[in-house]
Amino acid sequence: DIQMTQSPSSLSASVGDRVTITCRASQSISTYLNWYQQKPGKAPKLLIYGASSLQSGVPSKFSGSGSGTDFTLTISSLQPEDFATYYCQQSFSSPPTFGGGTKVEIK
Amino acid sequence: EEQLLESGGGLVQPGGSLTLSCAASGFTFSGQAMTWVRQVPGKGLEWVSTISGSGDYTYYGDPVKGRFTISRDNSKNILYLQMNSLRAEDTAIYFCSKEILEWLFDPWGQGTLVTVSS
Repeated sequence: DIQMTQSPSSLSASVGDRVTITCRASQSISTYLNWYQQKPGKAPKLLIYGASSLQSGVPSKFSGSGSGTDFTLTISSLQPEDFATYYCQQSFSSPPTFGGGTKVEIK
Repeated sequence: EEQLLESGGGLVQPGGSLTLSCAASGFTFSGQAMTWVRQVPGKGLEWVSTISGSGDYTYYGDPVKGRFTISRDNSKNILYLQMNSLRAEDTAIYFCSKEILEWLFDPWGQGTLVTVSS
């Protein structure tokens, strides 16, 4: 199975900050990397697929980049509604696997 | 609007069985593969099982293989997960989701909690 490792596991940031989350795959997954946002008590929501494609309806402050084994999710200007846990997930091969999550908290 | 609504969760004893349902609306259900993903409260996400749109093909994660069965009723737009020989480590919130591309999931239902405990 492909292991997905996110860093950091948590971070504190202020409204307006630029935030970057990193995800690393245990082997090359090309650009088969997706990002989800999950708020407490809610279902995950797809933000970015194919490493850099924005899902319909997702604001452009979210962006993704990377290929091979190293990927990043960037939030350009953090807003109160962005405080949540973010998960990366590989869709390169079965079984699909998720990173451990990055919790973005208010500083 | 695409919607998924899970039901059937609850408290069950170790070794027991439970069947989860996921009612779908707002899209052509029979044309889409569907998936179950679980999450131990406060922990990460784990893929459980996927079924093709026709129901002809099913896929399972190793932790549930041989114990869980995924199925669907395309006439009723309902996805199921039959869970047998339940263990404490199966305790989790179970989400259903539509597969929009291979292994890419959107949207997700709100989840249903399964607790395996004596």
